[in-house]
Amino acid sequence: DQQVKQNSPSLSVQEGRISILNCDYTNSMFDYFLWYKKYPAEGPTFLISISSIKDKNEDGRFTVFLNKSAKHLSLHIVPSQPGDSAVYFCAASVVGGSQGNLIFGKGTKLSVKP
Amino acid sequence: GAVVSQHPSRVICKSGTSVKIECRSLDFQATTMFWYRQFPKQSLMLMATSNEGSKATYEQGVEKDKFLINHASLTLSTLTVTSAHPEDSSFYICSARLRVNTEAFFGQGTRLTVV
Repeated sequence: DQQVKQNSPSLSVQEGRISILNCDYTNSMFDYFLWYKKYPAEGPTFLISISSIKDKNEDGRFTVFLNKSAKHLSLHIVPSQPGDSAVYFCAASVVGGSQGNLIFGKGTKLSVKP
Repeated sequence: GAVVSQHPSRVICKSGTSVKIECRSLDFQATTMFWYRQFPKQSLMLMATSNEGSKATYEQGVEKDKFLINHASLTLSTLTVTSAHPEDSSFYICSARLRVNTEAFFGQGTRLTVV
C-alpha cells in the first residue's frame, strides 16, 4: 500500500510557465513533507520542505502548498527553466517515528521545453 | 548544506562476489543513516536504517544476511551486498539527517551491475 502517491509520472511545461507537481498521502500521522529533485544516476537533492503546522512555504521560484484536510501537497515552480528538468520526488515523515526515515512517492519527471 | 559522500559511484562485479558501498557524512555526525534502493522508473525504497553502534533495522522483505550494514562510527555506514546476483543490480543510495524532522541529505548513489 503506497502511503505517498505521485499520480503523474511525467509533466511537460514550456519555459517561463508554471510547473505544478502534485502529491497525495494516506497516512494522517505524516507531519513533515519534502520535495527532492533527482537527475539520473545521482542522489536526490533537497529542494524545499513544509511542516504540517503550515500550509505554504516559499523559497525563491519554489513554493510548496499543503492541504492537510485533503492530504495533498503540491510544488509550484515559477517561472520554469530548462534546468529544472528532472525527476521530482515527494517525501513524508513522521516526527519521532522510525527514527526519521522518509517515505517517497514514485516521482514525476518534469520536462521544461525552451 | 550538509554533505554526504557515497563511494563508489559505479561498480561492476561478477555473480557470487561481494561488494561494499560506503556512506560518509563529511561535516556532521549522523547517529542514523538510511539505505535506499531504486529500480528503474520506481521510487526510492527504504532498505534499512543504520544505527551507530547497534544493529541495523531492516524493512520487510529485505534480507539482512544478504545486505550487511555496519555503522561503525558517527560518520560512516557501509552496505555490503554479499554473494551478489544479477537481480541485485540496482541503484543504491544512502542518506543521513542532522535531526529528525529536518531534510535528509543524500549521497551520490552507487550503480551496481552484477554480471
